[in-house]
Amino acid sequence: EVQLVESGGGLVQPGGSLRLSCAASGFTFSTFWMHWVRQAPGKGLVWVSRINSDESSITYADSVKGRFTISRDNAKNTLYLQMNSLRVEDTAVYYCARRRPRVGATNDAFDIWGQGTMVTVSS
Amino acid sequence: DIAMTQSPDSLAVSLGEGATINCKSSQSILFNSNNKNYLAWYQQKPGQPPKLLIYWASIRESGVPDRFSGSGSGTDFTLSISSLQAEDVAVYYCQQYYDTPYTFGQGTKLEIK
Repeated sequence: EVQLVESGGGLVQPGGSLRLSCAASGFTFSTFWMHWVRQAPGKGLVWVSRINSDESSITYADSVKGRFTISRDNAKNTLYLQMNSLRVEDTAVYYCARRRPRVGATNDAFDIWGQGTMVTVSS
Repeated sequence: DIAMTQSPDSLAVSLGEGATINCKSSQSILFNSNNKNYLAWYQQKPGQPPKLLIYWASIRESGVPDRFSGSGSGTDFTLSISSLQAEDVAVYYCQQYYDTPYTFGQGTKLEIK
């Protein structure tokens, strides 16, 4: 079964750090672009970051640039999001998502999503 | 950034009736070199992650019932549900993947009347 499972969320104080993980299974993780998307409580979806298969292309939303770092370990089939200098407004469910399989292309829709992990930034 | 605006914000439809959700982008998301509209529709039920319904504006994802259809081009798009079922109660989002930052509409909440 194709699956993404996030972990690492929790309660952190403003200015603190967290590292989220997304474990992939059921597909060849190393060949897929991957994304992080977040959703604040009761709000809509906001794209956070993307990474290509070999980490040579990485993009961030302006709201997290310089504070968050996306990475992956293809040997462990795992995607990461290192979040530093966390702010109250970073409070959200964080989803990892797989870009649809398409050879030789960058942009496409997200066909597989994890269940999400909650990050709460509060003092 | 490309802004995505959905209408209406909420919609109540009787079972068996049709529903239409609109999505407008602040600039064209039609890529001329391949004539594809970089637009997706997602369904999100309470407590669940989003589920891909439609991509390239009109291509139904595998396993999605054929009562769901997408149309439109350029800047104006529509998600249609031909005969509403109880399990269609959800929030629906459009998304452009033409350029980063990928942006989503604010969501349309679909309920049963």
